[in-house]
Amino acid sequence: DAMVIQNPRYQVTQFGKPVTLSCSQTLNHNVMYWYQQKSSQAPKLLFHYYDKDFNNEADTPDNFQSRRPNTSFCFLDIRSPGLGDAAMYLCATSRPAGPSTHNEQFFGPGTRLTVL
Amino acid sequence: AQKITQTQPGMFVQEKEAVTLDCTYDTSDQSYGLFWYKQPSSGEMIFLIYQGSYDEQNATEGRYSLNFQKARKSANLVISASQLGDSAMYFCAMREGNTGGFKTIFGAGTRLFVKA
Repeated sequence: DAMVIQNPRYQVTQFGKPVTLSCSQTLNHNVMYWYQQKSSQAPKLLFHYYDKDFNNEADTPDNFQSRRPNTSFCFLDIRSPGLGDAAMYLCATSRPAGPSTHNEQFFGPGTRLTVL
Repeated sequence: AQKITQTQPGMFVQEKEAVTLDCTYDTSDQSYGLFWYKQPSSGEMIFLIYQGSYDEQNATEGRYSLNFQKARKSANLVISASQLGDSAMYFCAMREGNTGGFKTIFGAGTRLFVKA
């Protein structure tokens, strides 16, 4: 089945040790998103790609980087994880959408990051 | 200022009864889209229903309907005939016209508990 896959589902890293989370999709969607979601909070958009066009949110820390080598894959790199970066990281995809068009986002299962 | 407001942190409903989850939004755009997503304890966000700002009819998807009151800027989700599997976190979200069409802003969520 077409879907959004995130690996690993659970990631443990040490304070300051770089970590990479991966996302792949079989939906052939142009747009890919990375969200950070802390416990009992709304997902917070970190950045998104429209094809290879990268769009960073203004309040996303420089510690977070992303790569999209092709349509199917997108990576989230955390260069020096702090304790405050422990969260669920959600990857999502969508077709390009105007604001009032019905192009919902398809989410992966998320990667829960623990920072020791 | 909050763009999406969900005033009910938690809601209880008896199995087989209907429940309404509240959502109000704030935008100056004429063109926007409203979404509801469900997030079970497993973490994956599941799209439920969409309402475009120009849609005159309230959206319906199976047991889900969206009570769209444009003048009041509200987009409440109604779940009919609640099931135990409906117990989850529910997020209201909006995609605006002046943010490039891709950014979706989520509310804080409402946790729904369905009682047997």
